[in-house]
Amino acid sequence: EAQVTQNPRYLITVTGKKLTVTCSQNMNHEYMSWYRQDPGLGLRQIYYSMNVEVTDKGDVPEGYKVSRKEKRNFPLILESPSPNQTSLYFCASSLGEYNSPLHFGNGTRLTVT
Amino acid sequence: AQSVTQLGSHVSVSEGALVLLRCNYSSSVPPYLFWYVQYPNQGLQLLLKYTTGATLVKGINGFEAEFKKSETSFHLTKPSAHMSDAAEYFCAVIGDDKIIFGKGTRLHILP
Repeated sequence: EAQVTQNPRYLITVTGKKLTVTCSQNMNHEYMSWYRQDPGLGLRQIYYSMNVEVTDKGDVPEGYKVSRKEKRNFPLILESPSPNQTSLYFCASSLGEYNSPLHFGNGTRLTVT
Repeated sequence: AQSVTQLGSHVSVSEGALVLLRCNYSSSVPPYLFWYVQYPNQGLQLLLKYTTGATLVKGINGFEAEFKKSETSFHLTKPSAHMSDAAEYFCAVIGDDKIIFGKGTRLHILP
């Protein structure tokens, strides 16, 4: 089944404790992206990647890192999480062409205390 | 730069009634337009998309949307609402170089 898999689904952590949210897709997609979803703000892009070893900042990249060492994986790293990073996070992928729809994972709900 | 405005963060309709969710966009180039739906505890799923050609686009679950260039709109409709349509709906536009999402409209279905 074609899918984007994120792990974990739920994560509670404390301020400053490094964490990684994994994202993997099995559709051989070129493009991958991370979004955060907050009430009243919709989806905001954190980072995206057009291909292996190519990553770019989105609209809200501060406090986050990503890597794209393999085509299928695009982990999101929070080196020192803070409470304002409490949010619902989504990974998405697409073929990369402008009219290609995004395929989303089921989300990771992160709480930073 | 492109932008998307969804009118109404919450919309309530009775079961069997017409669903109308509004989306207006701005783009300096001919846009690609999308509607996504998000059910509780799930990621977004594509409902339908407009790229070129026919301005009335049909999607899944009986939804359709019409691209109106003169009104810069891409409103989503469904003739008869079902309880299972309760979800959050996002309009999105790709214009210059990136996809921009609207803030979403939560659709409530009243029995």
